[in-house]
Amino acid sequence: GQNIDQPTEMTATEGAIVQINCTYQTSGFNGLFWYQQHAGEAPTFLSYNVLDGLEEKGRFSSFLSRSKGYSYLLLKELQMKDSASYLCAVRDYNDMRFGAGTRLTVKP
Amino acid sequence: DAGVTQSPTHLIKTRGQQVTLRCSPISGHKSVSWYQQVLGQGPQFIFQYYEKEERGRGNFPDRFSARQFPNYSSELNVNALLLGDSALYLCASSLDRVAGTEAFFGQGTRLTVV
Repeated sequence: GQNIDQPTEMTATEGAIVQINCTYQTSGFNGLFWYQQHAGEAPTFLSYNVLDGLEEKGRFSSFLSRSKGYSYLLLKELQMKDSASYLCAVRDYNDMRFGAGTRLTVKP
Repeated sequence: DAGVTQSPTHLIKTRGQQVTLRCSPISGHKSVSWYQQVLGQGPQFIFQYYEKEERGRGNFPDRFSARQFPNYSSELNVNALLLGDSALYLCASSLDRVAGTEAFFGQGTRLTVV
């Protein structure tokens, strides 16, 4: 089957670091994406990994292990505005399959 | 530059009716994809169009159809609406079909079927 799994909810404190994990099983793999989605808004692109390793972009980093079917999104120096859903998505051949999303709540 | 625009933003329809949703991609983007997002879930892939041809189709019934026009805008059509079709419909555009090409999402059309 094809699955993309990520935790449903996470809570963290402002200024802290949080890691959101994603495991996937898909028939094809042409890259893994992370999107941020605030309530009632469209998803916005955060990161893309196609090779194993860590990609860093400011406060956000994303890691990929293709052999393990595993990725994580690391958010540093959390801010209140980071409270949102974080979507892990795998590009198959012609489509992009999304996980259900992880709702992150950042508390003061 | 304008982003991906979708219309209408909100829509209420009755069971059995038909609906057409519209999407204008970012200028220069040739690929348009449609997604259905039910509350609390991630987006589910419906269609991808590239250069006016269907390039991919998700697991949706034949009541769902789409097309892409010469200017790369797209329409999603849903016939014989069911209550379960109530969702946020998202359109995403990207420059081309190449793996890794970032997809930009529109604000979506919230469809309510009563």
